[in-house]
Amino acid sequence: GAVVSQHPSWVICKSGTSVKIECRSLDFQATTMFWYRQFPKQSLMLMATSNEGSKATYEQGVEKDKFLINHASLTLSTLTVTSAHPEDSSFYICSARLRQTQYFGPGTRLLVL
Amino acid sequence: QQQVKQSPQSLIVQKGGISIINCAYENTAFDYFPWYQQFPGKGPALLIAIRPDVSEKKEGRFTISFNKSAKQFSLHIMDSQPGDSATYFCAASKNSGYALNFGKGTSLLVTP
Repeated sequence: GAVVSQHPSWVICKSGTSVKIECRSLDFQATTMFWYRQFPKQSLMLMATSNEGSKATYEQGVEKDKFLINHASLTLSTLTVTSAHPEDSSFYICSARLRQTQYFGPGTRLLVL
Repeated sequence: QQQVKQSPQSLIVQKGGISIINCAYENTAFDYFPWYQQFPGKGPALLIAIRPDVSEKKEGRFTISFNKSAKQFSLHIMDSQPGDSATYFCAASKNSGYALNFGKGTSLLVTP
């Protein structure tokens, strides 16, 4: 149990385009989901906390107009990288909270050309 | 500002040996300390977690030792196996299930 999926697993896009990443809790409902970013061989950095039915809370330094988060249901949160640029290339990982534990998705690798 | 400091950055252990990874924190409001294992290209998977009301927690070959006064905690992997080769992250949060502050990670290689 407690499985979190992400789609797509990897995406390549041209600079200036927008990319949407989905995070789903498959067998449980999650009122809170988190979005992290991880650069190669580095730690996970929290980008934002996503609460179902309300606006996401962004960490300092994360542009909310660039990284749009929508938590429309108890099993789905989406992250849209708008007008992506090469510096946005990274590994994006979501997690969903079940009771008192965070379960992580497998990650989405984004490459912006 | 790194709220959780992790060492070593990398570790090589022979099969059957003990792998030890250490973490330290400053924020005394932290009360939940999980360890995650991550394989290349995958998301982190929860290994084991501890709260400050106990000094040690063991699950199979994995043990967390916690020193509240020193604000330090460590992961011990007993009888390390090549399949344990991965990156390990310690983390801390003010309440379990809330935003995690991760250490920088330790790349573990267990040699045959």
